[in-house]
Amino acid sequence: GAVVSQHPSWVICKSGTSVKIECRSLDFQATTMFWYRQFPKQSLMLMATSNEGSKATYEQGVEKDKFLINHASLTLSTLTVTSAHPEDSSFYICSARLAGGPYNEQFFGPGTRLTVL
Amino acid sequence: DAKTTQPNSMESNEEEPVHLPCNHSTISGTDYIHWYRQLPSQGPEYVIHGLTSNVNNRMASLAIAEDRKSSTLILHRATLRDAAVYYCILVSNFGNEKLTFGTGTRLTIIP
Repeated sequence: GAVVSQHPSWVICKSGTSVKIECRSLDFQATTMFWYRQFPKQSLMLMATSNEGSKATYEQGVEKDKFLINHASLTLSTLTVTSAHPEDSSFYICSARLAGGPYNEQFFGPGTRLTVL
Repeated sequence: DAKTTQPNSMESNEEEPVHLPCNHSTISGTDYIHWYRQLPSQGPEYVIHGLTSNVNNRMASLAIAEDRKSSTLILHRATLRDAAVYYCILVSNFGNEKLTFGTGTRLTIIP
């Protein structure tokens, strides 16, 4: 089956630093990847849609200069949280859509838990 | 996006069937009904999807009402590993690939 990995699985950083999270589709090519954020006891909120070779599309209210997304290849997308603050502490989850797949099925990564001190 | 309504929580005994309801009265003709579930501290995983006819796979069954305004996810024999939050999501067939997650139903399995 289609597998999506994320690295790191958890990270703790100091306020003001930047953190990069990687999302990889291990056994398939993904033209589109998605980034979600989930706060404790809440549902997933879509942050942005990442298309290979083009700029990401951000959801309303998500700062594109703070959450930098790069989708340089068909198997890798990265999310960089710049100048992280405690309110950015959250569970970040990526998903990938199978390129050429007949349905809009998305395969999710295991998530990255970010804690900003 | 058309919205879905699910109960906040449900409980079921282990090894018994579970019926998880979802209302989607504003569904359009091109919307597929998708179900995902999220186990604790993990990313969501796909469960099943359908358009009009009932669907079965190794994980679950999906029963869709004739008017498509509601659907039910059926776990035939719940195990402790099925304890998760289950999300019912409508996905347009016309290139809108976004998944809009509602609050879902938190399923608790009682040993």
